Amino acid sequence: NAGVTQTPKFRILKIGQSMTLQCAQDMNHNYMYWYRQDPGMGLKLIYYSVGAGITDKGEVPNGYNVSRSTTEDFPLRLELAAPSQTSVYFCASSPPYSTGKYTGANVLTFGAGSRLTVL
Amino acid sequence: GESVGLHLPTLSVQEGDNSIINCAYSNSASDYFIWYKQESGKGPQFIIDIRSNMDKRQGQRVTVLLNKTVKHLSLQIAATQPGDSAVYFCAEDLTSYGKLTFGQGTILTVHP
Repeated sequence: NAGVTQTPKFRILKIGQSMTLQCAQDMNHNYMYWYRQDPGMGLKLIYYSVGAGITDKGEVPNGYNVSRSTTEDFPLRLELAAPSQTSVYFCASSPPYSTGKYTGANVLTFGAGSRLTVL
Repeated sequence: GESVGLHLPTLSVQEGDNSIINCAYSNSASDYFIWYKQESGKGPQFIIDIRSNMDKRQGQRVTVLLNKTVKHLSLQIAATQPGDSAVYFCAEDLTSYGKLTFGQGTILTVHP
């Protein structure tokens, strides 16, 4: 299994350009997420999806769009790129979420990240 | 909003020492906590987790302690090795669906 695969690994955009970050997982996970990580900071949730056809906003959704047409893929679209979107983007997936009182049930598996620079 | 924070941004230890990384949380309703390790150029990697109905949980060379009275979480790494050098994040899950709130991170440097 490849786990969570993100492409591209690096990208430089000009202000106003658009692009799509690709994310695919082969673990048959229902839940998928997009996070961004700014320098010296923790990760912030952009969007998430609990299954094909279902998406919802996270903490910092402005300037982004997502779609989930299949279980495997969860692309993140940047429209009209701005310097504030310079960051490292991480995709993650997990099994269906459990609220049971046991540990290890809701582990997120992260991809290696996509470093985006907007100039 | 509620957030998870770390007391120390950096920690340097000698190989073989025990390391302790701390984390404070502010929401008493927090139910689930996770520690992640992030090596340079990689995504976060799960280390260990703990639920609010537990005080302590042990893994291989790692122990997580949860003190709900003072809303404090710690990660203990025994016999720290150079390969443990990384940024360590605590994360808190207040809701369902894995909507994690991450702390700022602690940089752990292990000197041979």
